[in-house]
Amino acid sequence: KQEVTQIPAALSVPEGENLVLNCSFTDSAIYNLQWFRQDPGKGLTSLLLIQSSQREQTSGRLNASLDKSSGRSTLYIAASQPGDSATYLCAVTPYNQGGKLIFGQGTELSVKP
Amino acid sequence: GAGVSQTPSNKVTEKGKYVELRCDPISGHTALYWYRQSLGQGPEFLIYFQGTGAADDSGLPNDRFFAVRPEGSVSTLKIQRTERGDSAVYLCASSPEVTSAYNEQFFGPGTRLTVL
Repeated sequence: KQEVTQIPAALSVPEGENLVLNCSFTDSAIYNLQWFRQDPGKGLTSLLLIQSSQREQTSGRLNASLDKSSGRSTLYIAASQPGDSATYLCAVTPYNQGGKLIFGQGTELSVKP
Repeated sequence: GAGVSQTPSNKVTEKGKYVELRCDPISGHTALYWYRQSLGQGPEFLIYFQGTGAADDSGLPNDRFFAVRPEGSVSTLKIQRTERGDSAVYLCASSPEVTSAYNEQFFGPGTRLTVL
């Protein structure tokens, strides 16, 4: 059974710092891995999607890497800003399961001005 | 264009009551997913539809939960005899098709269900 774990559960950093969020998964039979952002009381916004054949994806100050063989992904946020404060979720799409997502429990990020 | 919408945004009900939660997917999206998110947790898969049929309902916790999508567009999640443990945010997502390799799901804002 696929399990997704995110560490740390919460993180607080001063504005301007670079930071890394971690995600691990137990079964490498995945199509892709996605990182989402969730603001309090809101739905999920997709940030980056990495196909299983890819190693990384970049969007602005965000960079996500994927090491499928070791079951790990990282989300790197450069020059953090208070507006980056949110919960970040990673999710994998397992093979042959209709496209459903398996989520980690999230990392709650707080960037202090 | 319009994204995924869910109604109501908040629902408070009493233990034992019946509730319906509605999801309007992005127009033309074939696949529709329901997830449940408890406080401090990531979303957990409940059920997904490919068109009108429930292709996988393995995530529904018990037979009090049921979902329909009669015309292949709007979906309704139905919960009978609600229990306090059903309190959570119910999220709906849609996708252009079930092509898992390029699956990108677009999420609605969710319905926060509180069972007193």
